[in-house]
Amino acid sequence: AQTVTQSQPEMSVQEAETVTLSCTYDTSESDYYLFWYKQPPSRQMILVIRQEAYKQQNATENRFSVNFQKAAKSFSLKISDSQLGDAAMYFCACQGGSEKLVFGKGTKLTVNP
Amino acid sequence: AAGVIQSPRHLIKEKRETATLKCYPIPRHDTVYWYQQGPGQDPQFLISFYEKMQSDKGSIPDRFSAQQFSDYHSELNMSSLELGDSALYFCASSSRQGLHEQYFGPGTRLTVT
Repeated sequence: AQTVTQSQPEMSVQEAETVTLSCTYDTSESDYYLFWYKQPPSRQMILVIRQEAYKQQNATENRFSVNFQKAAKSFSLKISDSQLGDAAMYFCACQGGSEKLVFGKGTKLTVNP
Repeated sequence: AAGVIQSPRHLIKEKRETATLKCYPIPRHDTVYWYQQGPGQDPQFLISFYEKMQSDKGSIPDRFSAQQFSDYHSELNMSSLELGDSALYFCASSSRQGLHEQYFGPGTRLTVT
């Protein structure tokens, strides 16, 4: 079974600045995957970035990157050059052997102009 | 690129009525997942299907049933609806030959009055 914890219910950032969203997880699986999903006001769930647990290299997708610390079971998301369109709820998720996604409670990100 | 299609997008039912939600996965995706997201909550896994067979089951009420058909589309049937069933229902699809990425549909917003 997996558990995912997001300790920051809300975060804010100035446009063009950098922000880091925190996530910790727990799993008994040796092979698992970690994800960040974005949910804007439209409520669509959008995949932002994926990390395979067996890879040491941190995943990067344009302005989005992760800091994956396997021993600490930490998986934070860094958003660089924040844009107004980045404002959304961000969910961290873990996928183990059963393939279902287990989500954290989410972090609401506000981007100030 | 083709995305996951869900219908209907909005549904209003009365207590004790029945509802059917449909999901059409991304072409060549063989696995379908259903999630329920209550107001202010994270998505909760309900059930999944791989190659038309149930592959995992989460906290799905006995009043709900689902199946995946030969064309890979899936239907979630909900009977004896209760006020607490009001939520956003997501379908997601993935390919077991792919990168373990689940792509979400736009969701069906169910309101039970």
